[in-house]
Amino acid sequence: GESVGLHLPTLSVQEGDNSIINCAYSNSASDYFIWYKQESGKGPQFIIDIRSNMDKRQGQRVTVLLNKTVKHLSLQIAATQPGDSAVYFCAGGAASGTYKYIFGTGTRLKVLA
Amino acid sequence: DGGITQSPKYLFRKEGQNVTLSCEQNLNHDAMYWYRQDPGQGLRLIYYSQIVNDFQKGDIAEGYSVSREKKESFPLTVTSAQKNPTAFYLCASSIRPGGNEKLFFGSGTQLSVL
Repeated sequence: GESVGLHLPTLSVQEGDNSIINCAYSNSASDYFIWYKQESGKGPQFIIDIRSNMDKRQGQRVTVLLNKTVKHLSLQIAATQPGDSAVYFCAGGAASGTYKYIFGTGTRLKVLA
Repeated sequence: DGGITQSPKYLFRKEGQNVTLSCEQNLNHDAMYWYRQDPGQGLRLIYYSQIVNDFQKGDIAEGYSVSREKKESFPLTVTSAQKNPTAFYLCASSIRPGGNEKLFFGSGTQLSVL
């Protein structure tokens, strides 16, 4: 069935280093992807999105890479800070078909001082 | 400040009781959604609404009901028929319906059973 999953449940990174969080998707029809950050007990916060006509998009300290050939996307966070500690998850959607997004289970990012 | 407001933050339900979770948005978004979040699982869609006075069942609609009488409001009722209601409930909205629109979330309501 459809799925959007993350490779690792927990990622520990030293403060100041770069973080890379990965996500795989199975639905070939997915053509729009969003990365969210969720802190404990709070709602998901939009970080960055990318459409399938792009393979890279940059924001402030974040970059999303999309590889449609292997159905994989990644979120890179530059110079990781303690405030980046949270669960990150991806969501995949499609312009056609149902109005439904498929969400990954999330990776917990721990920033070590 | 524009955004999505969910209330209450914490809610407790007794056996056989219906409870209603509030969701209000002032983003002028057409589409609104309710998701359920359980530990270790991805978000699952309960109901969604593309426009006022219209709503559709999602993947796990059993035991839940919604209404969309106003554009800004999309309340979710967890009925006594929902036997496992303990979860974190998230309301979301997008400017238009569709799977290629930015989806914004509220701060969530944690529902627990007494």
